Amino acid sequence: QIQLVQSGPELKKPGESVKISCKASGYTFTDYAMNWVKQAPGNGLKWMGWINTQTGKPTYADDFKQRFVFSLETSASTAYLQINNLNIEDTATYFCTRRGAYWGQGTLVTVSS
Amino acid sequence: DIQMTQSPSVLSASVGDRVTLSCKASQNINKNLDWYQQKLGEAPKLLIYFTNNLQTGIPSRFSGSGSGTDYTLTISSLQPEDVATYFCFQYNSGWTFGGGTKLELK
Repeated sequence: QIQLVQSGPELKKPGESVKISCKASGYTFTDYAMNWVKQAPGNGLKWMGWINTQTGKPTYADDFKQRFVFSLETSASTAYLQINNLNIEDTATYFCTRRGAYWGQGTLVTVSS
Repeated sequence: DIQMTQSPSVLSASVGDRVTLSCKASQNINKNLDWYQQKLGEAPKLLIYFTNNLQTGIPSRFSGSGSGTDYTLTISSLQPEDVATYFCFQYNSGWTFGGGTKLELK
């Protein structure tokens, strides 16, 4: 069955970086784009952008064009989200999703001094 | 960017009630709209895709309708397990989620 499994929770200090992984299984990884979605505590869902899994080309939503990097390790069917120079407002759960029924379980990133 | 506005933000209803949730787009999204249910601590769960198509495994009490800029999710007979937050989502141009409707039991 199709699964997206994300890496575990992270606790970081302001100014640090974090890299979250999303490992896909049950389908051909390069057949579908991978998207990233942010959910701040008690808030709604915000689309961060997507990465073309065939070419590796990322597309970032307007609010995520600085400090955010999408990447791939195609041989491992894994997508990555890296956030640089973390600040308190980056505290959130981050989801990878192929759209539709296929979502990772979410990765909680907590930024605190 | 397309904005999605959901109403109401909070809805209290009783078991067995017919419940209607609304979602309005800032421009025509050509029925390119899904509905998701999210319970606390979980990933969003797809209920309805392309406005009115029931996702496999979702109870038939859920239905969707709409066109243009106005869309609706209806629960025909509210069950206790339906307590959750519901999000509409457009993919006609980029992706945008609505702000959500929190559904509570009265």
